Amino acid sequence: EVQLVESGGGLVQPGGSLRLSCAASGFTFSSYWMSWVRQAPGKGLEWVANIKQDGSEKYYVDSVKGRFTISRDNAKNSLYLQMNSLRAEDTAVYYCARGPSHQWLQLGYYFDYWGQGTLVTVSS
Amino acid sequence: SYVLTQPPSVSVAPGKTARITCGGNNIGSKSVHWYQQKPGQAPVLVIYYDSDRPSGIPERFSGSNSGNTATLTISRVEAGDEADYYCQVWDSSSDRGVFGGGTKLTVL
Repeated sequence: EVQLVESGGGLVQPGGSLRLSCAASGFTFSSYWMSWVRQAPGKGLEWVANIKQDGSEKYYVDSVKGRFTISRDNAKNSLYLQMNSLRAEDTAVYYCARGPSHQWLQLGYYFDYWGQGTLVTVSS
Repeated sequence: SYVLTQPPSVSVAPGKTARITCGGNNIGSKSVHWYQQKPGQAPVLVIYYDSDRPSGIPERFSGSNSGNTATLTISRVEAGDEADYYCQVWDSSSDRGVFGGGTKLTVL
């Protein structure tokens, strides 16, 4: 059974940092693209970042570029999101989601499994 | 940047057919994926690559995509289908993931 379990959320002051983790199990982690998707309270879904199977390609939504860094450790079956210079508008539930197993984004990208999410609140 | 437009809400009586649209410029040239999200829960993939259903998703869920509109169709709607539905594409021209704003399906 595929499982994705996020951790690391919490309350942080504006300008602060937080590192989210996602522990994956039930599939060959190193064979899949992985992503972070967030949802602000009462709002819709927003894609945040993708990382390729070997970590060689990373993509970000413009609003987090230069502040957030996605990474992975295939030996530990784990995905991470380092979030720096946090702003109030980053307040959201952050979901870890599994992407496709193919190598090329041009073939399409969807999220077939999701974790339960971890809440990040940026407030003074 | 690429924009996906969904109606904020759709209402349907039990047993009837619900159609949720997702508009985008020449969306028919892209692969569209659909997610169902119930309150307090993570999203669930219900349709991928326009019309494919993941295992475990009822055949009542189907999808189509042509021109400037993709459509999620739910036949014989049940009370348990009440949820928010999101369409999503990968915009290759900008290398960005894009979600529609979501549609709240209400079962009357």
